[in-house]
Amino acid sequence: DIQMTQSPSTLSASIGDRVTITCRASQSISTWLAWYQQKPGKSPKLLIYEASSLQSGVPSRFSGSGSGTEFTLTISSLQPDDVASYYCQQYNRLWTFGQGTKVEIK
Amino acid sequence: QVQLVESGGGVVQPGRSLRLSCAASGFSFSKYGMHWVRQAPGKGLEWVAVIYNDGNNEYYADSVKGRFTISRDNSKNTIHLQMNSLRAEDTAVYYCARDRTNGGNVHDDWGQGTLVTVSS
Repeated sequence: DIQMTQSPSTLSASIGDRVTITCRASQSISTWLAWYQQKPGKSPKLLIYEASSLQSGVPSRFSGSGSGTEFTLTISSLQPDDVASYYCQQYNRLWTFGQGTKVEIK
Repeated sequence: QVQLVESGGGVVQPGRSLRLSCAASGFSFSKYGMHWVRQAPGKGLEWVAVIYNDGNNEYYADSVKGRFTISRDNSKNTIHLQMNSLRAEDTAVYYCARDRTNGGNVHDDWGQGTLVTVSS
């Protein structure tokens, strides 16, 4: 099984800050990596697929990078609407989510 | 637009069965794979199962393999999740999600979820 590890578990930042979340895979997954956003009480929403492709309708302040086992999600300028939990997911072999990162406003 | 509506959740005793359904609309259902993803209260997301667009391929998480069965009816734009031998650890909100392609990709649309509580 492929394990996904995210860091940090919780992140507190100010409006306008650049925010980075890291996701590590237990083995190489090429670029078969997605990022999802889940706001409290809501269903998850796809942000990024294939490590760096922005899903239609997602603001350009979100970006993804990485390949192999190390990946990052970056929010270039944190907005109040970005308060949420963020999950990475590998889909190289079946599907596995990371444990999530909760983003809060400082 | 894409709409996914889950139903069938509720309270069930350990060891019993439950069948979830997901009604899809707003897209060409038979062209897309479909997934079930669950989330235990206060916890993260866990992928459960996938069925490819033609219904000929299905895969399961180890935690549900042999107990859960995913199926689809392309004539009714519906998928199901038959859950047998339920355990307390199966308590979760169950989401139906569309695959971005025919079955081996990410989840680009999600339903609102249905809550399953396994308790005596």
